Amino acid sequence: IAGITQAPTSQILAAGRRMTLRCTQDMRHNAMYWYRQDLGLGLRLIHYSNTAGTTGKGEVPDGYSVSRANTDDFPLTLASAVPSQTSVYFCASSGYPTDTQYFGPGTRLTVL
Amino acid sequence: AQTVTQSQPEMSVQEAETVTLSCTYDTSESDYYLFWYKQPPSRQMILVIRQEAYKQQNATENRFSVNFQKAAKSFSLKISDSQLGDAAMYFCAYRNNFGNEKLTFGTGTRLTIIP
Repeated sequence: IAGITQAPTSQILAAGRRMTLRCTQDMRHNAMYWYRQDLGLGLRLIHYSNTAGTTGKGEVPDGYSVSRANTDDFPLTLASAVPSQTSVYFCASSGYPTDTQYFGPGTRLTVL
Repeated sequence: AQTVTQSQPEMSVQEAETVTLSCTYDTSESDYYLFWYKQPPSRQMILVIRQEAYKQQNATENRFSVNFQKAAKSFSLKISDSQLGDAAMYFCAYRNNFGNEKLTFGTGTRLTIIP
């Protein structure tokens, strides 16, 4: 069992380009989340999905979009990347019975 | 809105000694969960321990234990017999027991183990 996988591991991107970060889980968890981690700020929630077909906005959603077409996948898209989106991005999932969130390995994104 | 505060940006401890990391939080809810996550240099976020607010007994996981003081809204992590592999960033996190169940994180404490 892999748990949660994220791709790519790291990426350097030119400002203005479109980028999709991929996240896949094999634990059949209902809920999935995207966080960004910035130095000195901890992790902040970008978007979440409580179940396939539904999504919601977190604390810092501007400039990001998500979709949840099925239980396993939860991609995060930056439509037009800006340097302030340089960060480490973590995907997480949680499910019954503990609802504890488990994290993927993260994607380091640099926008130049 | 809930907030989580970790007032110790950095801590250090001698190998085999005990260290306590502090965390306070603010919430108007009575039913919630608290977590400590460890982030080693590998970047992976690893769950260390979890505490349900309705439980009076403090959670323990091997060398890791918490001191949960609900009235004081305090949730400290004690690491006994510190090992070199314990060196990492430690994040305290809060989660309501309803709604979207998002985690609210503190800003972290960097723990150094001195051989």
